Amino acid sequence: SQQGEEDPQALSIQEGENATMNCSYKTSINNLQWYRQNSGRGLVHLILIRSNEREKHSGRLRVTLDTSKKSSSLLITASRAADTASYFCATDAGTSGTYKYIFGTGTRLKVLA
Amino acid sequence: NAGVMQNPRHLVRRRGQEARLRCSPMKGHSHVYWYRQLPEEGLKFMVYLQKENIIDESGMPKERFSAEFPKEGPSILRIQQVVRGDSAAYFCASSPFGLEAFFGQGTRLTVV
Repeated sequence: SQQGEEDPQALSIQEGENATMNCSYKTSINNLQWYRQNSGRGLVHLILIRSNEREKHSGRLRVTLDTSKKSSSLLITASRAADTASYFCATDAGTSGTYKYIFGTGTRLKVLA
Repeated sequence: NAGVMQNPRHLVRRRGQEARLRCSPMKGHSHVYWYRQLPEEGLKFMVYLQKENIIDESGMPKERFSAEFPKEGPSILRIQQVVRGDSAAYFCASSPFGLEAFFGQGTRLTVV
């Protein structure tokens, strides 16, 4: 099964609203990353949060990490139509010396103008 | 510093042919990952390589698939005797040890 699983699978909101996506994982990690993928394109790295961090900000993005619950959330504030994309979390395997990143199945965000 | 470069961007192969996908990591990155993405799905890990070494190939199919990252030149993912089920987007990522993985734009393989 997936190490990282995003929730919800799909989200549709109006422009200007906030979008929250969640990611759960199963094993211990060193870090967790969020990526965006526009339809048919490559992945764009958004933010990395380490296991000893609880919250991180980057522009309109806010990521939280709760290692006790093995979960992370990505908040996009004041969403724009250009934020329409799929969002993936990726966790490393947590095994010392190997950095295999495991992706979830993604949240498909649609921002309506 | 150019990003991760993958080529070709699109590749069409007939069943039974070989597909060779290339990935040039970012400058200074010695860790390369290959992932496969089927339509409407997430990325599935295939293989993790360092220069001249395969570190983890637990996601690679046992047959027909191979990967290398030679001392000089790009990393190559090779698929022999392709079948329709191999049609997918193949992404390469590179990373300095333990930090963010940066992805290329992918190669979209279509097997006809």
